[in-house]
Amino acid sequence: NAGVTQTPKFQVLKTGQSMTLQCAQDMNHNSMYWYRQDPGMGLRLIYYSASEGTTDKGEVPNGYNVSRLNKREFSLRLESAAPSQTSVYFCASSEELGGDPYNEQFFGPGTRLTVL
Amino acid sequence: LAKTTQPISMDSYEGQEVNITCSHNNIATNDYITWYQQFPSQGPRFIIQGYKTKVTNEVASLFIPADRKSSTLSLPRVSLSDTAVYYCLVGPNTDKLIFGTGTRLQVFP
Repeated sequence: NAGVTQTPKFQVLKTGQSMTLQCAQDMNHNSMYWYRQDPGMGLRLIYYSASEGTTDKGEVPNGYNVSRLNKREFSLRLESAAPSQTSVYFCASSEELGGDPYNEQFFGPGTRLTVL
Repeated sequence: LAKTTQPISMDSYEGQEVNITCSHNNIATNDYITWYQQFPSQGPRFIIQGYKTKVTNEVASLFIPADRKSSTLSLPRVSLSDTAVYYCLVGPNTDKLIFGTGTRLQVFP
């Protein structure tokens, strides 16, 4: 049971390049999330997927797209990378979105992205 | 949108009890209060969750007063390994899950 896995662990891009960050979970969770964390800052929600087939914008969606490929996988795409997107990206999953009580999120190890 | 306010940082020594308070004045009736811990270079991990009064697990205790406008995470007898950032969240009345900047706890020997 690997939990939440992310690939790659590190990536360096040049401005304007594109890339896709991959995330997979093996906990049969319905909801998945993408966050970014800038140095010394908290996490900011980029996009989330409440269930397979649905995606919604979070706090900071501009410059990103997502795909909920199936129940297990949720990818984040940067179409034209910018230096402002240099950050650590975390994927997370939970049984449900919110919930009663609020369902805890399980986080992956993160992807460190640098855009030059 | 349920917003939380926490101290930016706290210092402690090994063996002491640490209490981190979070303010959430506009908490909604069906919101729960959840705390996460994040070590450097790792994703956050769930510590504890509560709705009212007191919740205790093997890691921490969570105290929530009757008006629920604040909560206090209590870490008993901290060790160096408790050095981390602690986040307070309220939900699920919002689907824009806000972690905020958290409280950076530094434990000294």
